[in-house]
Amino acid sequence: GAGVSQSPSNKVTEKGKDVELRCDPISGHTALYWYRQSLGQGLEFLIYFQGNSAPDKSGLPSDRFSAERTGESVSTLTIQRTQQEDSAVYLCASSLKDYTYEQYFGPGTRLTVT
Amino acid sequence: LAKTTQPISMDSYEGQEVNITCSHNNIATNDYITWYQQFPSQGPRFIIQGYKTKVTNEVASLFIPADRKSSTLSLPRVSLSDTAVYYCLVGLQYNFNKFYFGSGTKLNVKP
Repeated sequence: GAGVSQSPSNKVTEKGKDVELRCDPISGHTALYWYRQSLGQGLEFLIYFQGNSAPDKSGLPSDRFSAERTGESVSTLTIQRTQQEDSAVYLCASSLKDYTYEQYFGPGTRLTVT
Repeated sequence: LAKTTQPISMDSYEGQEVNITCSHNNIATNDYITWYQQFPSQGPRFIIQGYKTKVTNEVASLFIPADRKSSTLSLPRVSLSDTAVYYCLVGLQYNFNKFYFGSGTKLNVKP
């Protein structure tokens, strides 16, 4: 079946602009996760959605970052007033079960802030 | 959340068995151990997960000693396509807080 998809695959934006990244999880997966990965680094957890529960926002690096999810489907990650340090690959993952480490990742969105 | 320590990089040759060890000295009683594989320009891929002793699937084996303070991912007869970064994660299976991927181990398989 279809895996996790993300769009756009690449995004170049100017410092100070807002960007919106999209994630389509695997159908039927109840949990959705956002991470970011800077060049040559490991993954940094950002936020986690589970069903209709309030998201776990504990990993968001600043209040410029926000995320939404409609039910158990699409999620968007928004970064306001982008800074150069926001440049990274933003990865989305989904899982069938709640609170599990068995996650399925999308290909990521490479964000470059100039 | 238990932190993990892995070698930064490893080299191997095609056809060899590769063992990557992860240390997690402060693993908690209910923590599980999970391994992911990441190819360049791709998202990580779940490989295997275990709690104790040995787990085997079609891709790899996971060996966990009795004290659970370390674990070893074993890849049988690696090929060039196994060149990737391998991440070890430790945490509660059903009480997610944050996933800590660390820097992983860069495995370089040579012909």
